[in-house]
Amino acid sequence: GQQVMQIPQYQHVQEGEDFTTYCNSSTTLSNIQWYKQRPGGHPVFLIQLVKSGEVKKQKRLTFQFGEAKKNSSLHITATQTTDVGTYFCATNYGGATNKLIFGTGTLLAVQP
Amino acid sequence: DAGITQSPRHKVTETGTPVTLRCHQTENHRYMYWYRQDPGHGLRLIHYSYGVKDTDKGEVSDGYSVSRSKTEDFLLTLESATSSQTSVYFCATTNTDTQYFGPGTRLTVL
Repeated sequence: GQQVMQIPQYQHVQEGEDFTTYCNSSTTLSNIQWYKQRPGGHPVFLIQLVKSGEVKKQKRLTFQFGEAKKNSSLHITATQTTDVGTYFCATNYGGATNKLIFGTGTLLAVQP
Repeated sequence: DAGITQSPRHKVTETGTPVTLRCHQTENHRYMYWYRQDPGHGLRLIHYSYGVKDTDKGEVSDGYSVSRSKTEDFLLTLESATSSQTSVYFCATTNTDTQYFGPGTRLTVL
């Protein structure tokens, strides 16, 4: 079945440093979605990428979808303590059922 | 966030007892999902529904059953809870590609 690998599992940064998490698949993905889960909270949708080579920005967050649509990255510039949480990538499979398969997530810790 | 509630929010139960978790949505979304979240595994799909009385299995469905008698409610039942079912359970809904999650239920099976 389809699998999505995410690295690293954990990253600890000083406030102000940059952070990147990567999502990789051995098969071509129809899309990639990114979610953020604050400690003790629930996953919240951030963005969806659909096109090959697509790049989207949300303030300090930059999302990329690879040219081959097999990988994606989320980059945060100048991290803040509010960025703390687990970042998940996910992709749709199963056609019209809109099912998602999730990566294992990257836990970001930010030291002030 | 979409209007999704889960009940109970926390539950402690004993091995062998039946447990039912409820997900309620006010968004009139067609699709509903139950996930479990465990350290090192991310979110794994248990069961999903694509309409009233239409449900199907996800990747970790063993030991779980679901029912959807109304658009707004999706129930997850553990017929005989086991310690391996200790987890955080999330409900999600959607009408499109992206999913909206409920606040979660933390279930402990002793």
